[in-house]
Amino acid sequence: QVQLQQWGAGLLRPSETLSLTCGVSGESFSESYWSWIRQPPGQGLEWIGEIDHTGSTNYNPSLKNRVTISVDTSKNQFSLKLNSVTAADTAVYYCARGNSVWSRRPFDPWGQGTLVTVSS
Amino acid sequence: EIVLTQSPGTLSLSPGERATLSCRASQTINSNYLAWFQQKPDQPPRLLIFAASSRAAGIPDRFSGSGSGTDFALTISRLEPEDFAVYFCQQYGRSPYTFGRGTKLEIK
Repeated sequence: QVQLQQWGAGLLRPSETLSLTCGVSGESFSESYWSWIRQPPGQGLEWIGEIDHTGSTNYNPSLKNRVTISVDTSKNQFSLKLNSVTAADTAVYYCARGNSVWSRRPFDPWGQGTLVTVSS
Repeated sequence: EIVLTQSPGTLSLSPGERATLSCRASQTINSNYLAWFQQKPDQPPRLLIFAASSRAAGIPDRFSGSGSGTDFALTISRLEPEDFAVYFCQQYGRSPYTFGRGTKLEIK
């Protein structure tokens, strides 16, 4: 059974860089694409981007110029960096498993979520 | 990008009643790659339905999905107390993957 466990800093000041990591257990890391998704308080969900085990990435154009997603296959982990954060980046950030390398599938399972607050 | 519009924004019903939630896409969704999620406070979304009408593992059969092309629906045949939550639709057929803004199902 696939499980995702995420961690990272929860309080940032404007202009700092958000950094989160997600660890994957229970499945071969190489069989899927791994995504980051965020949800501002009381609002809907926004897909940030995805990565596969080779490091190939696909980003949402709305955030592409500030986002970097990377992978460490030796640890079965992938990470998110979002630079130059503002209050608008305050959200719960989730990691999730997305498409398999052979077929489309929805996001499932999800990490537990990390609330990141940007405040001066 | 594909915009998903969910309606209604809020649905007030009583336990035992039938709920029908709508999700309309701005473009045809390839191969019906449309999913439904349930979210409760302080929890990540839980996958209910994928490929428009297939139930995810462990989901009760009172949940059903239907539709194709641009119009989709989630039906809960007989509401249980634990079904009152927020429901999102999501398309995974074309990047960027997008979500609807959600329907809040509240107890009347």
